[in-house]
Amino acid sequence: DAGVIQSPRHEVTEMGQEVTLRCKPISGHDYLFWYRQTMMRGLELLIYFNNNVPIDDSGMPEDRFSAKMPNASFSTLKIQPSEPRDSAVYFCASSKQGAVNQPQHFGDGTRLSIL
Amino acid sequence: GENVEQHPSTLSVQEGDSAVIKCTYSDSASNYFPWYKQELGKGPQLIIDIRSNVGEKKDQRIAVTLNKTAKHFSLHITETQPEDSAVYFCAASMGSNYQLIWGAGTKLIIKP
Repeated sequence: DAGVIQSPRHEVTEMGQEVTLRCKPISGHDYLFWYRQTMMRGLELLIYFNNNVPIDDSGMPEDRFSAKMPNASFSTLKIQPSEPRDSAVYFCASSKQGAVNQPQHFGDGTRLSIL
Repeated sequence: GENVEQHPSTLSVQEGDSAVIKCTYSDSASNYFPWYKQELGKGPQLIIDIRSNVGEKKDQRIAVTLNKTAKHFSLHITETQPEDSAVYFCAASMGSNYQLIWGAGTKLIIKP
């Protein structure tokens, strides 16, 4: 089975530009998570969805960040306008819903560099 | 809120020796404890997990132990091999809350 698929794998852009990161979760998974990873702050949860509905976006750093999940097989994380401090690796993960917590499965991330 | 501390931040062991990574958590309501391995350029991958109704779980060379009273859990890797070199993360979550609280990570280096 295909895992979580993220695109692009690398993105380099100038500050002020709009950046859109994409994620296709594993088919049949009900939860989708967006994380940011940096050396200084480690893994940070930005937002997560359940059945396409945003549940908790308290980790989204600023209004410049927005996320959508228009259907069960696709989600986007958008940064507009981008700033150099947004440079990080962004991961998407998905998991099934169950009576107890289920493992999260991660994509290979998008390495974002804002110049 | 929940906090997870992970030690050490870097661990260097001789190939063939054992490695132990320890995590402590703050919220006694936590009941799910996964361990992830992250290789360079890849996303974290689940290697083993344990729930609070179990004290120990093994999968070949990997084992995890949980001490609910002390609120700590550990990852044990025996007979380490070069391919075990990676960053390892512990995490914790509570009940039906699907959010994971992550440790800061341990860089494991296997010396040949």
